[in-house]
Amino acid sequence: EDQVTQSPEALRLQEGESSSLNCSYTVSGLRGLFWYRQDPGKGPEFLFTLYSAGEEKEKERLKATLTKKESFLHITAPKPEDSATYLCAVQARGGSQGNLIFGKGTKLSVKP
Amino acid sequence: GAVVSQHPSWVICKSGTSVKIECRSLDFQATTMFWYRQFPKQSLMLMATSNEGSKATYEQGVEKDKFLINHASLTLSTLTVTSAHPEDSSFYICSASMPGTVNQPQHFGDGTRLSIL
Repeated sequence: EDQVTQSPEALRLQEGESSSLNCSYTVSGLRGLFWYRQDPGKGPEFLFTLYSAGEEKEKERLKATLTKKESFLHITAPKPEDSATYLCAVQARGGSQGNLIFGKGTKLSVKP
Repeated sequence: GAVVSQHPSWVICKSGTSVKIECRSLDFQATTMFWYRQFPKQSLMLMATSNEGSKATYEQGVEKDKFLINHASLTLSTLTVTSAHPEDSSFYICSASMPGTVNQPQHFGDGTRLSIL
């Protein structure tokens, strides 16, 4: 069964304290892995797509990496405005385009 | 800027009422849109795939007669929750992919918070 597990569930950081969020996945064949940011009461905002092991993507203080079993979202020197829930989703080969399997997310709080 | 617009953002209504939620793609045509539901502290779960000009495809366990989907144009899909009950209270979110390769990411609307009294 295709599955996505994110850890930790919640993470509290001080401003400037770098850390990583984990997304472990089990999928029959990976078409793509997606990272989203979700603010309270809002829909997910697209951050990155990763397609193959070894691939990395960067955007400002965020960097996403991918292996055959997991993905990491590294946050360097976070700021309070980075506080949000970060969602990971996978799309399996052979599945419909819409069938994204989401993890429950990691709620990140960055204190000034 | 936003590429998918969803309306309304918040609905509170009495049990038994039917509620319609609109999802629009902005500045692009979406032959396919998706409807998700998210309960507190839970994952987004795909409910159905909305196909322009044809019937929607529902995920297992989702009642098609309760959650009516209409995709009448290339920029608009609607989800109607019929005879809503308190257990239907949830956060409903739509998404669409911009035209291109099959690996285009889905872009999400800002969701509709539905509260049934």
